[in-house]
Amino acid sequence: NAGVTQTPKFQVLKTGQSMTLQCAQDMNHEYMSWYRQDPGMGLRLIHYSVGAGITDQGEVPNGYNVSRSTTEDFPLRLLSAAPSQTSVYFCASSYSAGGVGNTIYFGEGSWLTVV
Amino acid sequence: GENVEQHPSTLSVQEGDSAVIKCTYSDSASNYFPWYKQELGKRPQLIIDIRSNVGEKKDQRIAVTLNKTAKHFSLHITETQPEDSAVYFCAASLIGARQLTFGSGTQLTVLP
Repeated sequence: NAGVTQTPKFQVLKTGQSMTLQCAQDMNHEYMSWYRQDPGMGLRLIHYSVGAGITDQGEVPNGYNVSRSTTEDFPLRLLSAAPSQTSVYFCASSYSAGGVGNTIYFGEGSWLTVV
Repeated sequence: GENVEQHPSTLSVQEGDSAVIKCTYSDSASNYFPWYKQELGKRPQLIIDIRSNVGEKKDQRIAVTLNKTAKHFSLHITETQPEDSAVYFCAASLIGARQLTFGSGTQLTVLP
């Protein structure tokens, strides 16, 4: 049981490039989400999903796309990277389709730098 | 939507002393208040949570108190140890909601 696995751990992008952060969980969780962590700003929700085929926007969705074709996978796509997207990204999952009220399990994080 | 403010942003205590981190929230309907601990370079992990039907919850050296009238809740760590040094995040939301709102975090340093 690996929990929440995200890749890559470190990535440097040039402005305008696109990339996908991969996330997979093996706990059969319905709820999955992506957060970004910036100094002094805590964890901010980018997008979330309550099940396969269902996604929605969080607090800071601009510049990011997601899809959920399976229960296990929830990739995050940066469409055209900007320096403002330099951050640490965490994928997370939770048992309940309702999301809040159950423990959120985070991945190890992906450190992204856009130059 | 919910707004969570967390104070202080940094906190230094001597080993063995107590540490208190406070959070306030804006939505009176919120009824779920978890705390996450993030060690340097690691992922956040849940350490304790409280629901609005109780005013206090303890787990060994960690306790959380909730004042629904004043809309604030606090994390108390007693007999602090060096391994308690980390960033602590509070959060608040309504059970069953789709989004959990986090505070900005508190960097706790326990000095030997």
